[in-house]
Amino acid sequence: DQQVKQNSPSLSVQEGRISILNCDYTNSMFDYFLWYKKYPAEGPTFLISISSIKDKNEDGRFTVFLNKSAKHLSLHIVPSQPGDSAVYFCAASAWDAGGTSYGKLTFGQGTILTVHP
Amino acid sequence: NAGVTQTPKFRILKIGQSMTLQCAQDMNHNYMYWYRQDPGMGLKLIYYSVGAGITDKGEVPNGYNVSRSTTEDFPLRLELAAPSQTSVYFCASSLRDTQYFGPGTRLTVL
Repeated sequence: DQQVKQNSPSLSVQEGRISILNCDYTNSMFDYFLWYKKYPAEGPTFLISISSIKDKNEDGRFTVFLNKSAKHLSLHIVPSQPGDSAVYFCAASAWDAGGTSYGKLTFGQGTILTVHP
Repeated sequence: NAGVTQTPKFRILKIGQSMTLQCAQDMNHNYMYWYRQDPGMGLKLIYYSVGAGITDKGEVPNGYNVSRSTTEDFPLRLELAAPSQTSVYFCASSLRDTQYFGPGTRLTVL
């Protein structure tokens, strides 16, 4: 039962164009969503996040959009750069009823982004 | 700050051997986590800790044990290594929702 899904294993984009990475989730209790970027042989690096009370969060070239009714989020990278080539994971977290599961993340499978010069 | 550090970087184990993966953080984070990542898959939570002396199971805890005697350290123990435990292991820590990851330990069990 995969609660967070990234249905595109890979995405190829030309430098300077927009990259759009998608993520779907099934658990309506998720209330915080994050995107991580991972280079080979390194740990995931936090990129950007969004709370369920918002529908958009922007940080420089990176924007995350959240559509709660569709249980869908997306990461837009504009303009894309060759250094953005990496694996991108979306992740989601939810509080337990007792408020003790702070920060436990459920990850998608990842999307390999390749940005061509 | 070194952030989250993990040792060793690589290890090959024989079936039935045991080992401890070390994780340390210097950010004074209360929350720490262990994940494993199998090829083509996302990260799966093995164990987590909300503070020194408090640990709990994640999604895939079988075959592993943890302890948390200090805020800084969160070692992961494999008692009887099995080929199914071949994976890359990541440790992470957080103050709130955003987790910060170590560089990982690549473990092969033959």
